[in-house]
Amino acid sequence: EPEVTQTPSHQVTQMGQEVILRCVPISNHLYFYWYRQILGQKVEFLVSFYNNEISEKSEIFDDQFSVERPDGSNFTLKIRSTKLEDSAMYFCASSNWNTEAFFGQGTRLTVV
Amino acid sequence: GDSVTQMEGPVTLSEEAFLTINCTYTATGYPSLFWYVQYPGEGLQLLLKATKADDKGSNKGFEATYRKETTSFHLEKGSVQVSDSAVYFCALSDQHTGNQFYFGTGTSLTVIP
Repeated sequence: EPEVTQTPSHQVTQMGQEVILRCVPISNHLYFYWYRQILGQKVEFLVSFYNNEISEKSEIFDDQFSVERPDGSNFTLKIRSTKLEDSAMYFCASSNWNTEAFFGQGTRLTVV
Repeated sequence: GDSVTQMEGPVTLSEEAFLTINCTYTATGYPSLFWYVQYPGEGLQLLLKATKADDKGSNKGFEATYRKETTSFHLEKGSVQVSDSAVYFCALSDQHTGNQFYFGTGTSLTVIP
């Protein structure tokens, strides 16, 4: 069964450092998403990506964040200068038009 | 804008009890509705879905009916098991908002033997 894969599963980084979270969406999907979940809290939308550009982004997705689809398979989230409050589980998801989103297992980001 | 409101938790039930988790939504168009489940330490998994009014999604004994008149998509199960302990998220996707998924806050369910 096709699945969304995310690497690494856990990333520890120092405050102020750049991190790149990687995702391989399901191969025939057209829509890609990043969500985050701070421990014990709700799942928050960060950004959606379609046709090689951002289609929507939330207030959380400020200038410190960027996304890229560098090749035909990967979808990355970059945080330029991490803050303590960026510590969360980050989920990548992909979907097709009007279908359910398939989520990866998540990357737990810990900023120290 | 689009949103999902989900009943607050946590919910604690005894095994074989009846479960209802309420979910209502606001959407500009005709959304598809979903329930996702998150087991401890895992990612989000689709539990069931409904794409149009009056559709009933079902899976693993769980059911939810898309009610346009009450803008609701309540999750039900007749007899819960310990293995159902998880966090349940109601969600919608609306093609009028670029297919973005909107999630409720999640309801934590604990089933005790």
